[in-house]
Amino acid sequence: DVKVTQSSRYLVKRTGEKVFLECVQDMDHENMFWYRQDPGLGLRLIYFSYDVKMKEKGDIPEGYSVSREKKERFSLILESASTNQTSMYLCASSSGTGEGYTFGSGTRLTVV
Amino acid sequence: AQTVTQSQPEMSVQEAETVTLSCTYDTSENNYYLFWYKQPPSRQMILVIRQEAYKQQNATENRFSVNFQKAAKSFSLKISDSQLGDTAMYFCAFTQLYNFNKFYFGSGTKLNVKP
Repeated sequence: DVKVTQSSRYLVKRTGEKVFLECVQDMDHENMFWYRQDPGLGLRLIYFSYDVKMKEKGDIPEGYSVSREKKERFSLILESASTNQTSMYLCASSSGTGEGYTFGSGTRLTVV
Repeated sequence: AQTVTQSQPEMSVQEAETVTLSCTYDTSENNYYLFWYKQPPSRQMILVIRQEAYKQQNATENRFSVNFQKAAKSFSLKISDSQLGDTAMYFCAFTQLYNFNKFYFGSGTKLNVKP
């Protein structure tokens, strides 16, 4: 069964901390994505990557960075966590053929 | 810019009845894909149904079907014979393959199926 795995289901971090959210897929997909999900706002794209070491900003990249050193792994980095980054973070991958995303199970991050 | 609008934040339906969730989108492109995703309380997003814009025939997956009106840019989801397990958030999504397959999502509709 194909999978996208997010390393943490719940995280609590302090303001100012550097936070790493990890995502691994086993489907050999080129495209990987990070979204944040907030009530009433749906899913908003933070960053995506279409190849190793390649990345593009999404709609809300401020305060975030990403890393893709290997095809299967896509990391989201909060350089200095703030309370307005408290949210659900969803990782997804796709082959780019129109079959749709495969999602991870999400990480609920709370910044205190 | 691509936008996806779901105008119903929350809906309820009795078990075994039929419910329709609405979605509209805005694009100037002609070739694209539309999706409905389900997110149950367990949080795992699951693909429900997919529609290719160049196909006029409406997609169907068991109890789930869509009403795709390309000219009106409307893509509604019909759930027949609703079951308790259909209780979830439902997201409408849009993508164009040439644009790195970025998805644009609506704000979601929370569906409650009542026994």
